[in-house]
Amino acid sequence: QSVLTQPPSASGTPGQRVTVSCSGTSSNIGGNTVNWYQQLPGTAPKLLIHSNNQRPSGVPARFSGSKSGTSASLAINGLQSEDEADYYCAAWDDSLDGLIFGGGTKLTVL
Amino acid sequence: EVQLVESGGGLVQPGGSLRLSCTGSGFIFSSYAMSWVRQAPGKGLEWVSSLTGSGGITYYADSVKGRFTVSRDNSKNTLYVQMNSLRAEDTAAYYCAKGIGGYSYDKMDYWGQGTMVTVSS
Repeated sequence: QSVLTQPPSASGTPGQRVTVSCSGTSSNIGGNTVNWYQQLPGTAPKLLIHSNNQRPSGVPARFSGSKSGTSASLAINGLQSEDEADYYCAAWDDSLDGLIFGGGTKLTVL
Repeated sequence: EVQLVESGGGLVQPGGSLRLSCTGSGFIFSSYAMSWVRQAPGKGLEWVSSLTGSGGITYYADSVKGRFTVSRDNSKNTLYVQMNSLRAEDTAAYYCAKGIGGYSYDKMDYWGQGTMVTVSS
């Protein structure tokens, strides 16, 4: 099982705001930055948010990230059909001395 | 344009070995940490291993420690993972990914297309 806990699914209608949560511990999220990856069906993952809330060049501003204590969230404003994908949070774990991913959240645009 | 191209996947019997390669282009290969991440069919992402730009520091997931060895040849812009004692649970698509910096193992901004490894008799 994953050390970072995400809801397995989320959904929303076009234009809505959707959030995906990611819960960890003091050895991972609590002490390190959180990154979010988007994986569209049949494709390689893409870095969506890094360092808790930084968007790489080319990522739309409607994607945002936040972190508080041992939890983090990804927010998508103005949901679009092309946002239908799997979303993964990731953080370095100091106890495991390795990178851990959340189990992934499948986002459905209704 | 940054590109990562994996190769070396295939069908291997349990207990067998395989070496995957990942060739990078469009960036100064030796300046960036590189990682391997795998994804079993229908499952989530699982980090496998990372190493620094020089290759001097390596990290492994517990699930592969002692069986997999990551390395790089910066003169060839190529990342490798030598996989020994393969098990059915190693069956997955293996992605190589580039870190955003020399020690960025968690922030991977470019990914290859993946190469499939199937461990089965």
